[in-house]
Amino acid sequence: NAGVMQNPRHLVRRRGQEARLRCSPMKGHSHVYWYRQLPEEGLKFMVYLQKENIIDESGMPKERFSAEFPKEGPSILRIQQVVRGDSAAYFCASSPLGPGVGTDTQYFGPGTRLTVL
Amino acid sequence: DQQVKQNSPSLSVQEGRISILNCDYTNSMFDYFLWYKKYPAEGPTFLISISSIKDKNEDGRFTVFLNKSAKHLSLHIVPSQPGDSAVYFCAARETSGSRLTFGEGTQLTVNP
Repeated sequence: NAGVMQNPRHLVRRRGQEARLRCSPMKGHSHVYWYRQLPEEGLKFMVYLQKENIIDESGMPKERFSAEFPKEGPSILRIQQVVRGDSAAYFCASSPLGPGVGTDTQYFGPGTRLTVL
Repeated sequence: DQQVKQNSPSLSVQEGRISILNCDYTNSMFDYFLWYKKYPAEGPTFLISISSIKDKNEDGRFTVFLNKSAKHLSLHIVPSQPGDSAVYFCAARETSGSRLTFGEGTQLTVNP
């Protein structure tokens, strides 16, 4: 999938634990997006980040969810005190140009499948 | 509020024939549209896109048509191949927007 790396691919957590999902964008891409796919649904936008900045987090639940994209290292999506409803596939995408450039395209990673027991 | 809709959950075609996948949208601020293909347990793979200033874009076996007045786009695959069997997602983005808004997907099955 165009070089976007995500790990782990599968993550199992018990209710109340924390989940950390990692995403390394394609080389040369500084724009990172996180999406969630619930069973039998399309992908839903969660958050858009550039290096060290959250640009748009309007799709992310206000509680328990946070995201970061540090100067060094991968982007992290953190879910605290997970509940069964958090079980989903979480996809990261990256793009080279960012919003404002009409033809900017997002390329997706393979996803992390989170299962909450 | 489903701003991007793919009304056909599934489509089955014979190998060698044309596959036509449809997508409707309601947000008139959308100006860039993309199609992604997704296999089970993998991430979406970008296929083809179209800007609102165009009504057609072609790349090999894949052609996307955009009808702005009807707020409708379609993806044509010809000839269809068994390896094309996957879920196809339509996505749209507003001018200067960051998020992609996805449809629910259409499962395409190409029978040998």
